[in-house]
Amino acid sequence: GAVVSQHPSRVICKSGTSVKIECRSLDFQATTMFWYRQFPKQSLMLMATSNEGSKATYEQGVEKDKFLINHASLTLSTLTVTSAHPEDSSFYICSAREGVATEAFFGQGTRLTVV
Amino acid sequence: GEDVEQSLFLSVREGDSSVINCTYTDSSSTYLYWYKQEPGAGLQLLTYIFSNMDMKQDQRLTVLLNKKDKHLSLRIADTQTGDSAIYFCAESSQGGKLIFGQGTELSVKP
Repeated sequence: GAVVSQHPSRVICKSGTSVKIECRSLDFQATTMFWYRQFPKQSLMLMATSNEGSKATYEQGVEKDKFLINHASLTLSTLTVTSAHPEDSSFYICSAREGVATEAFFGQGTRLTVV
Repeated sequence: GEDVEQSLFLSVREGDSSVINCTYTDSSSTYLYWYKQEPGAGLQLLTYIFSNMDMKQDQRLTVLLNKKDKHLSLRIADTQTGDSAIYFCAESSQGGKLIFGQGTELSVKP
């Protein structure tokens, strides 16, 4: 299957700082990217959907000013957690899909710990 | 609204078959998926089924879909210790986003 690379895999940051997570599609054009958040022992909750060149569509309850999503190219989307707090500590996973393809491919996830 | 439900735990012995069940609510879902997640890792797509099919087999994996009852199952034949992981079912929703169940933790005992 297609490869989606997410970086970094783990990050620890201080409360109040911002953290950027990258999601790259390595061998296909990701016209749509999805960002999910997963709490321990829980399911994945969709945070936002982004289409290349457009503003992201956020799910209800997700603060768009706190979780900035940029999808400026067909191979890269970024999620920036601004002014991070300990409650933002979580596992963040991106997925990418080409056109109207059936499958969305997932990155390996980023474990964010805010101290 | 859309909702996907799974049982939380399943324990089997090595060599046995595992059956993981899932129910969903959105009858307009086009595709239904099974993903595997190992500890600390992302999701790996195992298989998917189109909503007009009732069965799909792929090596040790068999997916059964009962569209009338909105019930999906994943059967893993000859379960191995390496199959121990969390298994998520998901349904496709508007705009291509996926709605996930809460995951079933499969424990395979030697």
